[in-house]
Amino acid sequence: EDQVTQSPEALRLQEGESSSLNCSYTVSGLRGLFWYRQDPGKGPEFLFTLYSAGEEKEKERLKATLTKKESFLHITAPKPEDSATYLCAVQGGGSYIPTFGRGTSLIVHP
Amino acid sequence: NAGVMQNPRHLVRRRGQEARLRCSPVKGHSHVYWYRQLPEEGLKFMVYLQKENIIDESGMPKERFSAEFPKEGPSILRIQQVVRGDSAAYFCASSDPGQSADTQYFGPGTRLTVL
Repeated sequence: EDQVTQSPEALRLQEGESSSLNCSYTVSGLRGLFWYRQDPGKGPEFLFTLYSAGEEKEKERLKATLTKKESFLHITAPKPEDSATYLCAVQGGGSYIPTFGRGTSLIVHP
Repeated sequence: NAGVMQNPRHLVRRRGQEARLRCSPVKGHSHVYWYRQLPEEGLKFMVYLQKENIIDESGMPKERFSAEFPKEGPSILRIQQVVRGDSAAYFCASSDPGQSADTQYFGPGTRLTVL
């Protein structure tokens, strides 16, 4: 059974204070690892898909990296508008159904 | 490009009534997934459908819940005889079957409140 654990559960940062969110996973034959951002009262917004260890993707202040056991979402010089819950999910071989973690709630203070 | 659309955005039902949630996928996407989310909990998979076919309904309760994705029109998640425990946010997602990993794009959700 695929498993996803995200840490920390909650993170408070000052504006400009860079940090990383962790997503540890176990999966049989990784097809893809996904990062989403979810704002209160809204649906998850797609950020990145990573397919294999060593892959990295960037978008504005966000950078996602992937190893065989975990993924990191690095946030560089965050702004208050980066405050949201960040969700990680994995899709294993032979399954069309991703397994989601419970998310990291990020608050960035001005 | 229009993303995934869901309606209604908010739905209030009394116990015992029926709830119908609708989802229109991204244009060109033929895979639809339904999820349920409770406060402080993660997304829980319910059902995966392709046009006119239910592929995987392992996450959907066997009683009172049903889903369809007809050849024409939106996908519908139907909850009969709702109970208070059905109150939650229900999200629909769609994907493009041509990709190597099924990146899913989510709608804004329907928030169901059962009185």
